[in-house]
Parts: sequence; structure tokens; C-alpha cells
Amino acid sequence: QKEVEQNSGPLSVPEGAIASLNCTYSDRGSQSFFWYRQYSGKSPELIMFIYSNGDKEDGRFTAQLNKASQYVSLLIRDSQPSDSATYLCAVEDTDKLIFGTGTRLQVFP
Amino acid sequence: DAGVIQSPRHEVTEMGQEVTLRCKPISGHDYLFWYRQTMMRGLELLIYFNNNVPIDDSGMPEDRFSAKMPNASFSTLKIQPSEPRDSAVYFCASSLGGNTEAFFGQGTRLTVV
Repeated sequence: QKEVEQNSGPLSVPEGAIASLNCTYSDRGSQSFFWYRQYSGKSPELIMFIYSNGDKEDGRFTAQLNKASQYVSLLIRDSQPSDSATYLCAVEDTDKLIFGTGTRLQVFP
Repeated sequence: DAGVIQSPRHEVTEMGQEVTLRCKPISGHDYLFWYRQTMMRGLELLIYFNNNVPIDDSGMPEDRFSAKMPNASFSTLKIQPSEPRDSAVYFCASSLGGNTEAFFGQGTRLTVV
């Protein structure tokens, strides 16, 4: 059973700080990695995807991928209270996405 | 496009009743996924289709669950008979390719009493 592991949190950070969310996966053959954000009572929505080792930046968000360590992370700079949500890591497995259980992020003013 | 459309948004039913959840994927998307989300188990893939053909149903919990996709614009997930442990939020998602972004519907919150 291929697995995607995330710390459930909550991860609490003050407004303006950097939030660091981490994810490990078991299938060394996985090629595509996704970060979704899910607000309470809403559906998941894509924030970023990453395919290559290294960093990928989009605004306040940076995804980091290390395939050798089977590790993908999401950094949120200048965290805002509106970033408070559950962040789901998803890993591609032969035409489907396997999701972690998510990390709940709380950004307090 | 209006996105992935699911119905109903909420369903409350009694144990033993049949429940049918419906999904309309985004036009042109070849893949359709049914997920179930609970606090304990997170987002679990139940089944997915490629070009209306079921590819992997290994996540379907038991024979009480069945899914169909009669055409490219419609899919159903049926539970018969329903049990209280089936209470969860069921999401339908669609994507252009299997390893590309999946777009989620608003979900159906199912409560079986």
C-alpha cells in the first residue's frame, strides 16, 4: 500500500511568519506532487504542483521536492490568517492521486 | 465551465436505504475519481474511471458500493444498503490526465442514521 505521510498538526504560526508543511511518500517511482488547500467545509483546491527536484515558487508559496529523500514540502511566506486551512499533500500513483491526511495550519494575528 | 458538479450536497438517510450520489465532471476531462473523506482516514480514493471505463476499484470498501459512468458527462456512486459507518463526505473529481491536477466538486455530505 503506497503511503503519503503528513503531520496532522495543528501547526500554529503568527501572522507574518513562515509556515513550513512537510510530506513524505513511500513510492520512489512517483513523479508528480501536488499541494491542495482545504478550508473547513469546502473542497480541496490546488495550490501548487511540482515535478522536478528543487524549489518552485509561486507568490508567497514555495514547493520543495527531494526525490532521493522522498520528501516534499510547502513553505508559506508572510502567513496570513486567511491561510488557516488544512493542507493536503498528494502524490501521483499511476494515473491517480494518493492523498495524505493533511496538516491543519492556524495563523494567529 | 461550472466545474465539477455533485448532487445532492447533503443527504440524510436511514440505515438500510439505498443512496445514490451523482457527479458531472468538467467537459473534456478524461478521468473521473470518487473519493471519501473522514476525520479518521482522510481522503481515500474509492474508484476512478478513464474514458468512462472503471480502471481501479480497489478502494471500494465492500460490495455494498458500486459506481458507474454511462457517459462522459455523468457518474454515480451507489451504496446499497447504507450503514452508519458510511457517513462521510464524498467527493467527485475530474482531470485531463491521470497525473495532472484533479478538480474537485463541492462534495456530498452523507449521514446515515
